Amino acid sequence: GQQLNQSPQSMFIQEGEDVSMNCTSSSIFNTWLWYKQDPGEGPVLLIALYKAGELTSNGRLTAQFGITRKDSFLNISASIPSDVGIYFCAGLDRGSTLGRLYFGRGTQLTVWP
Amino acid sequence: NAGVTQTPKFRILKIGQSMTLQCTQDMNHNYMYWYRQDPGMGLKLIYYSVGAGITDKGEVPNGYNVSRSTTEDFPLRLELAAPSQTSVYFCASSQRQGDGYTFGSGTRLTVV
Repeated sequence: GQQLNQSPQSMFIQEGEDVSMNCTSSSIFNTWLWYKQDPGEGPVLLIALYKAGELTSNGRLTAQFGITRKDSFLNISASIPSDVGIYFCAGLDRGSTLGRLYFGRGTQLTVWP
Repeated sequence: NAGVTQTPKFRILKIGQSMTLQCTQDMNHNYMYWYRQDPGMGLKLIYYSVGAGITDKGEVPNGYNVSRSTTEDFPLRLELAAPSQTSVYFCASSQRQGDGYTFGSGTRLTVV
């Protein structure tokens, strides 16, 4: 299957700091998605990207679809305690005909007040 | 809107026992998926379905079975539980290729 490399694996930051995480793949994707998982819950979609170079925001979150189609970035500005959770990137293989997403291993974010 | 509903939320099984994890969605989505999540390992696809009557294996199907008799329901069956199947299981659905998935809240399974 596809390999998505997500980094960093974990982050410990102070409230108010900005956060950056990224995801790279060995092959081209035509859709990149970012999810957040709160403790004890399922992942929830944050941002979807459908076009190379696309930059999309959702409140304090901004994500970009890399020009090479092999990477994506997520930034969180002015972090708050409720940003705590696991953030997953996911990509859709352009060769896939079955709607399957491939997921990164996640970035565990801890925010200290 | 209920979205994707999974039951039970928690379960403890003894080695060799069997059980069915239930998943139902009320969004009339064609695609449904079962993932397992182990600490630090992300989400691994077990089985998926592109519509009623059609299922296929994902990355880690061994020890599991599925069926899709209706659009709404996609149960996951464990026939002979093993400790390696201790995990959190998520069901998800989507309407079309390239859509984001809607996930259920998960079933935490422990096999002892």
